[in-house]
Amino acid sequence: ETGVTQTPRHLVMGMTNKKSLKCEQHLGHNAMYWYKQSAKKPLELMFVYSLEERVENNSVPSRFSPECPNSSHLFLHLHTLQPEDSALYLCASSQDRSSTDTQYFGPGTRLTVL
Amino acid sequence: GNSVTQMEGPVTLSEEAFLTINCTYTATGYPSLFWYVQYPGEGLQLLLKATKADDKGSNKGFEATYRKETTSFHLEKGSVQVSDSAVYFCALSDLRGGSEKLVFGKGTKLTVNP
Repeated sequence: ETGVTQTPRHLVMGMTNKKSLKCEQHLGHNAMYWYKQSAKKPLELMFVYSLEERVENNSVPSRFSPECPNSSHLFLHLHTLQPEDSALYLCASSQDRSSTDTQYFGPGTRLTVL
Repeated sequence: GNSVTQMEGPVTLSEEAFLTINCTYTATGYPSLFWYVQYPGEGLQLLLKATKADDKGSNKGFEATYRKETTSFHLEKGSVQVSDSAVYFCALSDLRGGSEKLVFGKGTKLTVNP
């Protein structure tokens, strides 16, 4: 498998559930990202990891908890979410953290919080 | 702060029509500029980019020129196809404060009818 993959593609969860989103990149990249895509809003950068170290956290609520166990995998752990957290969550990777590097995106996980 | 403004959609065109999607930016310094495209059910893909003033990015018949004097990076294509139906995002690289990231516009949905 090539590129950036994300699982699951769709997720429905209640506000008291705990779930995790998974992202895997097969490109040998050093940087990985989580974005939130909501209707009629710009993409929001949530987290950035470079060489498995978190380098940016854009004031994301603590109910979202990222984990990067190695340079190929990125997780987003979810707990006690709110309905307004329903969105498309996109993972991306790039060779390095430079903003001029092309970012490669996965297809996203469509999350619905009931 | 740095920001990107792109024309509101949706845009609906007939096949072989000329396409322009306007994008203007506000930035300190000299950001790189990007157009990303998101086809239905997929993640974002880089369409083209320009890293300095007067550069022209081009790909798949699409073009955009980095205009510093008008702070613009309008996307154009001379003859659109049904397969170009997608959401198009303008973005810039934000290098402030030692933190490098992409800042995206809200996206413009394009529908091309046969």
